[in-house]
Amino acid sequence: GAGVSQSPRYKVAKRGQDVALRCDPISGHVSLFWYQQALGQGPEFLTYFQNEAQLDKSGLPSDRFFAERPEGSVSTLKIQRTQQEDSAVYLCASSLTSATNEKLFFGSGTQLSVL
Amino acid sequence: AQKVTQAQTEISVVEKEDVTLDCVYETRDTTYYLFWYKQPPSGELVFLIRRNSFDEQNEISGRYSWNFQKSTSSFNFTITASQVVDSAVYFCALSEAQIGTGNQFYFGTGTSLTVIP
Repeated sequence: GAGVSQSPRYKVAKRGQDVALRCDPISGHVSLFWYQQALGQGPEFLTYFQNEAQLDKSGLPSDRFFAERPEGSVSTLKIQRTQQEDSAVYLCASSLTSATNEKLFFGSGTQLSVL
Repeated sequence: AQKVTQAQTEISVVEKEDVTLDCVYETRDTTYYLFWYKQPPSGELVFLIRRNSFDEQNEISGRYSWNFQKSTSSFNFTITASQVVDSAVYFCALSEAQIGTGNQFYFGTGTSLTVIP
């Protein structure tokens, strides 16, 4: 596709359920980022991939969060045993190269509500 | 410490007024990049501008202009003759090179701009 695609757009989960959020970056983009955006806040970094390698996962809030990008394209963010504090919009972004000055292209996000 | 500070949480202006959105950043790097993104109600952040740390020249693009001042670590954004379509949340961001772990983008908390017709 022409842009970054994320699915589902909305996800409602019961506390304790596992969820999987998908990101389809722009074809050929090397870098992929996951961000968490709480209501009224800016995006907070979760993790970064360069192709299939997860180079930085320092932003993942707990070991319940896991991300992968096995073939260097599509990425999945998995949250196990969801908690209410996990409710947020999860944004995926990609960039053409790994250069510091590359602009990010964002998807529309997945809004996760944990009840 | 917050790397990017946007002190203005919400701003309302009447259409055709000029408005300036403030951004202050903090970094020890000599090479870094600054960005502004717009987030309309649809949720997707849209790139507006990028600036590198060695280029302090101000930039104008239509009704948008940016003022980068390293001396005050600020990268302010001005919209001239605001329009209702400018209503959105605007984020300032800082990009630093991280040895071994790739890029790291830091976003401010955003400024919600409402343009009243």
